[in-house]
Amino acid sequence: NAGVTQTPKFQVLKTGQSMTLQCAQDMNHNSMYWYRQDPGMGLRLIYYSASEGTTDKGEVPNGYNVSRLNKREFSLRLESAAPSQTSVYFCASSEQGDEQFFGPGTRLTVL
Amino acid sequence: AQTVTQSQPEMSVQEAETVTLSCTYDTSENNYYLFWYKQPPSRQMILVIRQEAYKQQNATENRFSVNFQKAAKSFSLKISDSQLGDTAMYFCAFIPNFGNEKLTFGTGTRLTIIP
Repeated sequence: NAGVTQTPKFQVLKTGQSMTLQCAQDMNHNSMYWYRQDPGMGLRLIYYSASEGTTDKGEVPNGYNVSRLNKREFSLRLESAAPSQTSVYFCASSEQGDEQFFGPGTRLTVL
Repeated sequence: AQTVTQSQPEMSVQEAETVTLSCTYDTSENNYYLFWYKQPPSRQMILVIRQEAYKQQNATENRFSVNFQKAAKSFSLKISDSQLGDTAMYFCAFIPNFGNEKLTFGTGTRLTIIP
């Protein structure tokens, strides 16, 4: 039982490049989330998916897109990376409204 | 919109002592959930304790307990007999009601346990 897994763990991009962060969970949770963590700001919700086939914007969705590929997987895409997107990204999953289980995070640097 | 405030950016305490981390929140909801998450240097987010607003009894998990004051909208975390492994960032978090997906975090308190 791996819980929530994320790939990659680290990534460096140049401004304007694109990339996709992958997330998968094996707990059969309906809900999945993407957060970013910046110094002094805690975690902020980017997008979430309450169930397979649905996605909704969180607090800071600009510059990101998501795909809920199936119940297990929820990906986050940066189409044209900007230095302001330098951050640590966390994926999480939960049963609706209950405790969220977090992945190990991806440290992204945009130069 | 809900807000969560942690007014102590950093704290330190001697090993084996007791420490209390503060959290206040703002909401117009009556039923909601509150959480404390721990983030050690490994960066992994770990749930420490949760409290359901409709329960008057304060939650307890081993050395961790909360002081939940609903009228004051206060949710503090007490760590007893602190250990070196308690060194971490601690985040208070809030969900307005069951079924709502938007977990709101405070900005965190960096706790250091001194040997």
